[in-house]
Amino acid sequence: QGQLVESGGGVVQPGRSLRLSCAASGFTFSSFGLHWVRQAPGKGLEWVTVVSYDGNDQDYADSVKGRFTVSRDNSKNTLYLQMNSLRPEDTAVYYCASSGVGARDDAFDLWGQGTMVTVSS
Amino acid sequence: QSVLTQPPSVSGAPGQRVTISCTGSTSDIGAGSAVHWYQQLPGTAPKLLIYRNNNRPSGVPDRFSGSRSATSASLAISGLQAEDEADYYCQSYDNSLSAWVFGGGTKLTVL
Repeated sequence: QGQLVESGGGVVQPGRSLRLSCAASGFTFSSFGLHWVRQAPGKGLEWVTVVSYDGNDQDYADSVKGRFTVSRDNSKNTLYLQMNSLRPEDTAVYYCASSGVGARDDAFDLWGQGTMVTVSS
Repeated sequence: QSVLTQPPSVSGAPGQRVTISCTGSTSDIGAGSAVHWYQQLPGTAPKLLIYRNNNRPSGVPDRFSGSRSATSASLAISGLQAEDEADYYCQSYDNSLSAWVFGGGTKLTVL
């Protein structure tokens, strides 16, 4: 049974940075594409970013492009999200999710429990 | 405002059948992108319910089914149970935005 566990959330001031981690276990991490999806309090799901199984390809939502960077370390079975220039509207629960090789039609088939990020002065 | 449009809420009595619609456009569902559905129970992470339009992952009861037409998709839940009370989200890929997109979510209430 695969598992994803996020960490690194917390309260941060606007304009500051934060790095999230997502540790994987129970499946062949290096074979799967990985996404970050966020959910603002009381709101719906918003896709944030994707990284391919080998880490060579990434894509970002317009709302975070230029501020967020996704990466992965297949030797450590860990996914990262570096968030810079944080804004209050980035406040959300951040989920990591796996999806096949990260292709457009792959579903998000395994989700972590989420980590809360609050951007506030 | 979400790219995919879902009704904010639906309801039904135990044992009844309900459907949740997901309306897209020629950039996503209408372009042939697959539709997936997720169930989010209160206070928990989303869980994959239906993948690639009408396929159920192992462990998902056959009370749940998916379908799609030109630019829309639907999730049907038959034999409603109290434990089905949750938020449901559709998801696809938008070729114009080059982004994965979700519907705004539908809250299912079991009366």
